Amino acid sequence: DVKVTQSSRYLVKRTGEKVFLECVQDMDHENMFWYRQDPGLGLRLIYFSYDVKMKEKGDIPEGYSVSREKKERFSLILESASTNQTSMYLCASMSGSNQPQHFGDGTRLSIL
Amino acid sequence: TQLLEQSPQFLSIQEGENLTVYCNSSSVFSSLQWYRQEPGEGPVLLVTVVTGGEVKKLKRLTFQFGDARKDSSLHITAAQPGDTGLYLCAGRYSGTYKYIFGTGTRLKVLA
Repeated sequence: DVKVTQSSRYLVKRTGEKVFLECVQDMDHENMFWYRQDPGLGLRLIYFSYDVKMKEKGDIPEGYSVSREKKERFSLILESASTNQTSMYLCASMSGSNQPQHFGDGTRLSIL
Repeated sequence: TQLLEQSPQFLSIQEGENLTVYCNSSSVFSSLQWYRQEPGEGPVLLVTVVTGGEVKKLKRLTFQFGDARKDSSLHITAAQPGDTGLYLCAGRYSGTYKYIFGTGTRLKVLA
């Protein structure tokens, strides 16, 4: 069965810290995505990757970076965490266009 | 900028009632997907529509893609408590794998 695993369900960090969110998929999918979910705003795309070492900015990339060194792993990095980055973060993978995006269960990140 | 507006934002209905959720945009999409998300979990795909005017049925759920591929609707017949959740539409532009998600409709079906 398809599996997308996010490293933490809950995470609490302090302002200014560098934060790493990890995502691993076991489906050999080329495409991986990072979203943040906030009430009333749906999911907003931060970054996506369509191949190893390839990345493209989404709609809200400011304050974030990503790394994709291996096909199965896509990392989201908050370079210097700020309180407005407190949110639910969702990772997804997808094999191709019009195929399902398979989501992890999310990481609820709080920045104090 | 949010390009996909869903309505209503919240909906609370009795078991057995019918409902329709709308997903509207001024942009043309190559395809559109509907997801349902339950608390503590990631969204799960319900359907993908690709052709303008396309209608797909999934048991009591009927999905329609607008003729101009700018909007979509989800109709639930005889809603059940198990239908409770957050419904999200997501549109894909031609030539990209990027999806734009709607603002979401939170449905609660009361027994």
